[in-house]
Amino acid sequence: AQTVTQSQPEMSVQEAETVTLSCTYDTSESDYYLFWYKQPPSRQMILVIRQEAYKQQNATENRFSVNFQKAAKSFSLKISDSQLGDAAMYFCAYRSGQGGKLIFGQGTELSVKP
Amino acid sequence: GAVVSQHPSRVICKSGTSVKIECRSLDFQATTMFWYRQFPKQSLMLMATSNEGSKATYEQGVEKDKFLINHASLTLSTLTVTSAHPEDSSFYICSARKVSGGLQETQYFGPGTRLLVL
Repeated sequence: AQTVTQSQPEMSVQEAETVTLSCTYDTSESDYYLFWYKQPPSRQMILVIRQEAYKQQNATENRFSVNFQKAAKSFSLKISDSQLGDAAMYFCAYRSGQGGKLIFGQGTELSVKP
Repeated sequence: GAVVSQHPSRVICKSGTSVKIECRSLDFQATTMFWYRQFPKQSLMLMATSNEGSKATYEQGVEKDKFLINHASLTLSTLTVTSAHPEDSSFYICSARKVSGGLQETQYFGPGTRLLVL
């Protein structure tokens, strides 16, 4: 069975600085998707970024980028120029390429200090 | 992006009553929707997968007779908590799968429903 692990329950970053959130996963599949979701205090889940496993190029969305290391089964999220609005719970998630359910990590609570 | 709505956003009910939560995909059709439960500071726990026109698939440990799911159309799924008890108090989140461009799939989430059972 696939598992997703986020080993950092809490992280803190200074406004305008860069922070990296860690995520590792375990799977025997070769075709899958990885996601980072953000859950602010409103608790609305927001898709931050997605990565297809077959793509070697790391996904980027504005200030958010990932470091996808397929062999190491690592999928970290880098947030550049952190803003106060980035404060939230961040969840890493895995989904099989055959469809099916999202498998979430435990979450990392990010605080941004002004 | 895509929009998923949930109604109500918050509900308080007495123990023993039933509560229905609606989940709608507003600008796309969703053959598959998901229902999650989330406790404070914890991750999302999948309760069931709802497929349009067929029975829902429940995760292990989730009582199907207590959490009734109906997915009658491509834009609407409902979760009914029957005979609610205080331990059912939680935050319930729905999600709808949008398929575009072949096998491209993304799940979009509703804003959640906070249920408090007195």
